[in-house]
Amino acid sequence: AQSVTQPDIHITVSEGASLELRCNYSYGATPYLFWYVQSPGQGLQLLLKYFSGDTLVQGIKGFEAEFKRSQSSFNLRKPSVHWSDAAEYFCAVGAMFSGGYNKLIFGAGTRLAVHP
Amino acid sequence: DAGVIQSPRHEVTEMGQEVTLRCKPISGHNSLFWYRQTMMRGLELLIYFNNNVPIDDSGMPEDRFSAKMPNASFSTLKIQPSEPRDSAVYFCASSLNARRLMNTEAFFGQGTRLTVV
Repeated sequence: AQSVTQPDIHITVSEGASLELRCNYSYGATPYLFWYVQSPGQGLQLLLKYFSGDTLVQGIKGFEAEFKRSQSSFNLRKPSVHWSDAAEYFCAVGAMFSGGYNKLIFGAGTRLAVHP
Repeated sequence: DAGVIQSPRHEVTEMGQEVTLRCKPISGHNSLFWYRQTMMRGLELLIYFNNNVPIDDSGMPEDRFSAKMPNASFSTLKIQPSEPRDSAVYFCASSLNARRLMNTEAFFGQGTRLTVV
């Protein structure tokens, strides 16, 4: 069955430190992968997506993610975290279901706190 | 485009009352999704529509929940009667076309925070 696992529920980093948020997926075919960010009281905003091609994708706000098929992973990274990056981050996989329709399967999310 | 628009942003109601949440998807998007977010269960897909037709409602928790999409620019999620355990943030999202995996990217509204007392 299709699924997304985000092993870290909470992560705390210092401002200026590097960040890596982990995401593992389970999907039989070529995955379409997404990272979303949710700031407090807001909806989910797309950070970046991977469909095919270069396995290192760049997103908004200085984020990047690397697709590793051998590890079924799509980890999100940022070299230097800013206090405004404190939010909840969701990894998702686009999955096809019966009838030829597709939908997003979301992970449980990782809440990021940033210390000054 | 203004993005996905949800109303109201906040709703407080008494147990047993009917609640209606509203959503206007992005113009030109053929697929619409309703999600519920709680601390305990995270983000749950309740139902999704393609070309105004409900495709999968397996996530709707009970018969008290119903959703409609009378036209391409409007959808409602109704809870009748509401219960305290329905308290959550409800998100509406739209995408170009759930028939194509490449168009699966979902655009979210700001959500409706529902509190049932």
